[in-house]
This record gives sequence, structure tokens and C-alpha cells, in this order.
Amino acid sequence: ETGVTQSPTHLIKTRGQQVTLRCSSQSGHNTVSWYQQALGQGPQFIFQYYREEENGRGNFPPRFSGLQFPNYSSELNVNALELDDSALYLCASSSVGGYTFGSGTRLTVV
Amino acid sequence: GNSVTQMEGPVTLSEEAFLTINCTYTATGYPSLFWYVQYPGEGLQLLLKATKADDKGSNKGFEATYRKETTSFHLEKGSVQVSDSAVYFCALSDALMDSNYQLIWGAGTKLIIKP
Repeated sequence: ETGVTQSPTHLIKTRGQQVTLRCSSQSGHNTVSWYQQALGQGPQFIFQYYREEENGRGNFPPRFSGLQFPNYSSELNVNALELDDSALYLCASSSVGGYTFGSGTRLTVV
Repeated sequence: GNSVTQMEGPVTLSEEAFLTINCTYTATGYPSLFWYVQYPGEGLQLLLKATKADDKGSNKGFEATYRKETTSFHLEKGSVQVSDSAVYFCALSDALMDSNYQLIWGAGTKLIIKP
């Protein structure tokens, strides 16, 4: 067990819709990061939250937003979905020696 | 900016062959270097890491040495198994605030091991 749980596993949305992806990490893991992994590519950093505040952001537009909650869960919200948003979205929480990743949410935008 | 370049795949080997997957990086400062592995349908698992020059990371028979002079972190294994078939990602740390960091990734190298 990785200690990081993501939901849902798979999701299909229509262009223009909004989506919320969820992540639950282990107690005490104060840092959570979100990555987008397009098919056949390496992950791209979206943003990171540390103690419920955004701690850094990659090259993603404002329609990608997030929240981190006191219970170590977090959300990634994407508004006005575009076809290019189709990807595997990965959540990672801090752990000894590095980051622990969840299994991801596969988002398909049609 | 910082970046990671990996050898393109797929890499196809026979069981018990020697494996090398090349990784080079561009970075300012002194990043930590990582290898992650992704099995089909799964998330990313940390395979090994090195935090400073000349460090060797090792795990499950895999190893990689942080070479600052050649800006490389090549992954090696002496004898691969079918179960090693996966996609391997090289990554480096890029500092954020409060001692946190993001990971900058290579494109991944798919490894196929044939019995």
C-alpha cells in the first residue's frame, strides 16, 4: 500500500465541463503535489501545497486550482476542460526519502 | 531551466542481460536525483535516489551513481528479469519554498524483458 489514495480511478468528461479530483495522504504528510502525465510522457508539475497554502506552481493556467485540507486530503479542480487536459493526474505526498505517489486518476475529455 | 534527458525506448532485452538506461541532466545548484518506476496501470514508485555528487543509490539490484562531472545518473542492473518490465523515469529535485521541492522528469524509458 502506497499510503496515497486517489479517486476516482477513471473519469470521462465533456469539453467545457469542470472536474474535481481527490487525494488522501497519510497523517503528518504536510506537503502534497499534483502532476499531469500525458500519454507516453513524463509527469509535469502542476502545483504543490504545504500546510494548506500553495507553495509553488508549474506552467499551468489559473483554471487549474487546488485545495489542501487539515485532514491531509486535497483536491485538484480543473475548469473549462479542454481536450488536451486528457491525462493521468498524479498526487504525491511527502515521505521519508522522497515523495510517495498515488495510482492516479485517468481523465478523458471528449 | 532545469531539465532531464533520458534515452529513448523501448529498450528490449533478454532475461539475465545487463541493463543500462542513460540519464543526463541540466541544473543549477545541487539537485537530488531519482529513478522512479511505473508498472502498467500503476502510479510511480521510487526506485532509488542520490542526494549529492558521487553518491550511489541502489535498490532491488538496480544502482545509479550521481556524476556531477558528466551531469549523469545512469541506471544499471546486472541481470534483468521479466518482472523488471516497466517504464523507468529519471527525475531531479527543483527547490520550492520551505525546504520543499518539485520533481522535473525525463520522458521515461520503456523496458521490455523477454524470457
